[in-house]
Amino acid sequence: SQTIHQWPATLVQPVGSPLSLECTVEGTSNPNLYWYRQAAGRGLQLLFYSVGIGQISSEVPQNLSASRPQDRQFILSSKKLLLSDSGFYLCAWSRDRGLGGSPLHFGNGTRLTVT
Amino acid sequence: KQEVTQIPAALSVPEGENLVLNCSFTDSAIYNLQWFRQDPGKGLTSLLLIQSSQREQTSGRLNASLDKSSGRSTLYIAASQPGDSATYLCAAHASGGSYIPTFGRGTSLIVHP
Repeated sequence: SQTIHQWPATLVQPVGSPLSLECTVEGTSNPNLYWYRQAAGRGLQLLFYSVGIGQISSEVPQNLSASRPQDRQFILSSKKLLLSDSGFYLCAWSRDRGLGGSPLHFGNGTRLTVT
Repeated sequence: KQEVTQIPAALSVPEGENLVLNCSFTDSAIYNLQWFRQDPGKGLTSLLLIQSSQREQTSGRLNASLDKSSGRSTLYIAASQPGDSATYLCAAHASGGSYIPTFGRGTSLIVHP
């Protein structure tokens, strides 16, 4: 069966520090991968998605970047965190490549607090 | 651009009631619609996925229906329990080669004993 791992679960970082959140998927190949952010009182905001190694699409230009160095690994990064980067970050994957019919599966999320 | 709306935003009911949560979407050209549950501080758990060719899906006390022509989906929860308390989100998966699902903002449900 397929599983998705996301770490760390919680993170407290000072303003201006770097960030690296990692997500890996097991039990499948060529997944679509997604990074979402959920801020307090707001809905899910899609940050990045990837349909293959090295292929990253950004939905919202901001202080963050994403990379996909391996087929089942998705990394969210920042060189210098801002207070506004605080939130709940969720990684997700789906099986198909735009053909539809495949559900979206989420990791357990990372709670990031920038102080 | 697809927009997904969920009504009501919050709901508080006594245990045992049958519930209907609503999800509407503006673009009927979808591959499927997915319902999720989110407990506080946790990730999203998939509940049901309805393909565009289907009318409904059932899992235990949950039943989700889809009416593409009217741009609506409903999640029916039978005999609600306190353990059903959570936020319920729907997501419409767009067709036309896009890989991006559009989420509603969720319905926060409290079932009190």
